[in-house]
Amino acid sequence: QKEVEQNSGPLSVPEGAIASLNCTYSDRGSQSFFWYRQYSGKSPELIMSIYSNGDKEDGRFTAQLNKASQYVSLLIRDSQPSDSATYLCAVNYAGKSTFGDGTTLTVKP
Amino acid sequence: GAGVSQTPSNKVTEKGKYVELRCDPISGHTALYWYRQSLGQGPEFLIYFQGTGAADDSGLPNDRFFAVRPEGSVSTLKIQRTERGDSAMYLCASSRYTGDTQYFGPGTRLTVL
Repeated sequence: QKEVEQNSGPLSVPEGAIASLNCTYSDRGSQSFFWYRQYSGKSPELIMSIYSNGDKEDGRFTAQLNKASQYVSLLIRDSQPSDSATYLCAVNYAGKSTFGDGTTLTVKP
Repeated sequence: GAGVSQTPSNKVTEKGKYVELRCDPISGHTALYWYRQSLGQGPEFLIYFQGTGAADDSGLPNDRFFAVRPEGSVSTLKIQRTERGDSAMYLCASSRYTGDTQYFGPGTRLTVL
């Protein structure tokens, strides 16, 4: 079992819909959590960081963290074709980050 | 301000050769990380530095891989006796301090023929 699990997808949503991306992790001591977006052939770029239980909103993006369930999610509201990319979940413990293999999202016009 | 930079952007080498990959972090960032990413997979942790010292090198796959950060800024990842399986994108990231948000460079695409 991988330390950080994501559904590989592909996840396909119509333009304007809500996209929901999920991530589970195995290390209960994990301290910080990140969502990155990666376009094909490019390096990961940060979308959101979250450190405590609950929701954190930034524009069209909302990250949700539940440490008891070892679960972190990312919601993208009003999805746009430009949101089509691979979304990587990263979990940090003692400075070391472990990444999931990503979920590929396609937003159809 | 300037982001993380990596050189070269592409490196093609022959099996058995030695390569060096360079990372220049964001100014003032004390932590620096190296990852390797293969197609269809997430970045795989290799090593991270806090200042000049390697705080965690548990991800280095074997003793052919070595990294240094002698002055606490620029870092070099060194790979000896390259193998075809070393072909991947090598990513560098930096953060203000350990555990903080990591910002990635554009990566070096290594191809071992």
